[in-house]
Amino acid sequence: DIQMTQSPSSLSASVGDRVTITCRASQSIGNFLGWYQQKPGKAPKLLIYAASTLQSGGPSRFSGSGSGTDFTLTISSLQPDDFATYYCQHSNSPPFTFGQGTRLEMK
Amino acid sequence: EVQLVESGGGVERPGGSLRLSCAATGFAFDDYGMNWVRQVPGKGLEWVSYINWSGDRSGYVDSVKGRFTISRDNSKNTLYLQMNSLRADDTALYYCARDSSGTHYAMDVWGQGTTVIVTS
Repeated sequence: DIQMTQSPSSLSASVGDRVTITCRASQSIGNFLGWYQQKPGKAPKLLIYAASTLQSGGPSRFSGSGSGTDFTLTISSLQPDDFATYYCQHSNSPPFTFGQGTRLEMK
Repeated sequence: EVQLVESGGGVERPGGSLRLSCAATGFAFDDYGMNWVRQVPGKGLEWVSYINWSGDRSGYVDSVKGRFTISRDNSKNTLYLQMNSLRADDTALYYCARDSSGTHYAMDVWGQGTTVIVTS
């Protein structure tokens, strides 16, 4: 099974900051990688799919990059609405494992 | 409106069974693969199971293999998860979510979840 390792597990940042979250797969997954945002009490929301494609309606400050085993999610200028937990997930072959999550908190 | 609505959660004793349902509206259900994802309150997301559009391919996380069965009825636009031999560690909020080749099988629509509690 493919394991997904996210870092950091938590992050404190301020509005306007540039933030980067990384995700590493235990073996190559091509670009079968999605990023999700989850706020307390809500279902996850797809932000990025195919490693770098912004989901329709998603803010352009979110971007994704990477292929193979190493991936990043970048928020170019943090907004108040962005404080949430972020997860990566591969969709290469079952089981479609999630990373453990990155909690983004206000500094 | 594209929507997924889960139901069927509840409180069950260890060893018992539950069947979750996920009703889809607003899109062509049989064009999409479907998934179940669970989350223990305060913890991360765990992918549980997948079924392709026609129902002839599926997959499971190891911890539920042999106990859970995913299925779908495209005539009713409904996804199911039959959960047998329930254990305390199956306690979680269960989401259904759709995927497609268009999103490289990432999950772009999610339900609000249904809660399963397994306790003696």
